[in-house]
Amino acid sequence: AQRVTQPEKLLSVFKGAPVELKCNYSYSGSPELFWYVQYSRQRLQLLLRHISRESIKGFTADLNKGETSFHLKKPFAQEEDSAMYYCAQKYPNSGYALNFGKGTSLLVTP
Amino acid sequence: EAGVTQFPSHSVIEKGQTVTLRCDPISGHDNLYWYRRVMGKEIKFLLHFVKESKQDESGMPNNRFLAERTGGTYSTLKVQPAELEDSGVYFCASSQIGAGNSPLHFGNGTRLTVT
Repeated sequence: AQRVTQPEKLLSVFKGAPVELKCNYSYSGSPELFWYVQYSRQRLQLLLRHISRESIKGFTADLNKGETSFHLKKPFAQEEDSAMYYCAQKYPNSGYALNFGKGTSLLVTP
Repeated sequence: EAGVTQFPSHSVIEKGQTVTLRCDPISGHDNLYWYRRVMGKEIKFLLHFVKESKQDESGMPNNRFLAERTGGTYSTLKVQPAELEDSGVYFCASSQIGAGNSPLHFGNGTRLTVT
């Protein structure tokens, strides 16, 4: 079965420090990968997707097929980045259903 | 635009009872999904509607779960009879039809507690 792994349950960094949220996937083909974020008391929302190769709120994520990774990075974390982050992969050949990781809680402290 | 809305936000029922969750997608969104997060585990896909048709229900855990989307608008997810392991947060999401790059818009979720 396809699996998305986020090894860190909780990541705590100081404001201004770099942050990297790890994500590994198991699909051997051409995956479609996403990062979703859930801020406190808000709904789950799309942060970015690898096909867009965009930077949202200072975050970037590069697909590394060799390492089957899609780590989320930001050079200087801000307190408002504190949230739950989910890496997700679109099921191959199955509409747009997503396969999520367990999520990583990011806490940025002053 | 109004977002995806789910009702109720929280439900506490006893084992063996029936619960029906409702999801109203964003107007005009033909794709509707149900997901579930059980405590300590991943958010799992349950099923996918395109308008009123079930496109993929491979994630439905068993036949105690029944999802409907009559008329292709709102959807309901019924659990009958509920078991303890059904406790979790049930999310609904919607997206535009045929838009492969269209992001999923999630509702706030319904927290189901089965005691």
